[in-house]
Amino acid sequence: IAGITQAPTSQILAAGRRMTLRCTQDMRHNAMYWYRQDLGLGLRLIHYSNTAGTTGKGEVPDGYSVSRANTDDFPLTLASAVPSQTSVYFCASSDFTSGGDTQYFGPGTRLTVL
Amino acid sequence: GENVEQHPSTLSVQEGDSAVIKCTYSDSASNYFPWYKQELGKRPQLIIDIRSNVGEKKDQRIAVTLNKTAKHFSLHITETQPEDSAVYFCAAENMDSNYQLIWGAGTKLIIKP
Repeated sequence: IAGITQAPTSQILAAGRRMTLRCTQDMRHNAMYWYRQDLGLGLRLIHYSNTAGTTGKGEVPDGYSVSRANTDDFPLTLASAVPSQTSVYFCASSDFTSGGDTQYFGPGTRLTVL
Repeated sequence: GENVEQHPSTLSVQEGDSAVIKCTYSDSASNYFPWYKQELGKRPQLIIDIRSNVGEKKDQRIAVTLNKTAKHFSLHITETQPEDSAVYFCAAENMDSNYQLIWGAGTKLIIKP
């Protein structure tokens, strides 16, 4: 059992390019999340999905889009990358019921936009 | 919306001493408060959590206390060890934010030998 995986591990991207970060979990969790973590700052929620077929905006959604076609996958797309999107991106999942659920994080993707 | 403040940003303690990290939250409707530990270069992992109907919870050397009136909660680590060195994040959750966690900025805990 892999848990939750992310790809790529790291990426250097030219500004203006499109990029999709992949996230897959095999725990059959209904909820998934995308966070960004910048140096010296906490985790900021970009988008989330409480169940397959639904998504919601987090604290910093601008410039990002997500889809949740099935339970296992939750890709994050940067349509046109900008340098301010340089960050470490963490995907997480949880067995969402009515709140208070443990979030399990992936290993992260380090993205540099030049 | 909810806002979570975490203090201190860096905490250095002697090995064997206790460490306390405090978080304050703004929304009195928040009812779930987890703490995550992130070792250098690793992913965050839950270490302890508390719900609003409980004032204190302990798990071996780690404890969390919650003061709903003052809207703050604290992480207590006793008999600190080198492996406790990490960044610790607090968070708060409430129904108004669709159960999404609002995170503190983190505390870097350094254990001095």
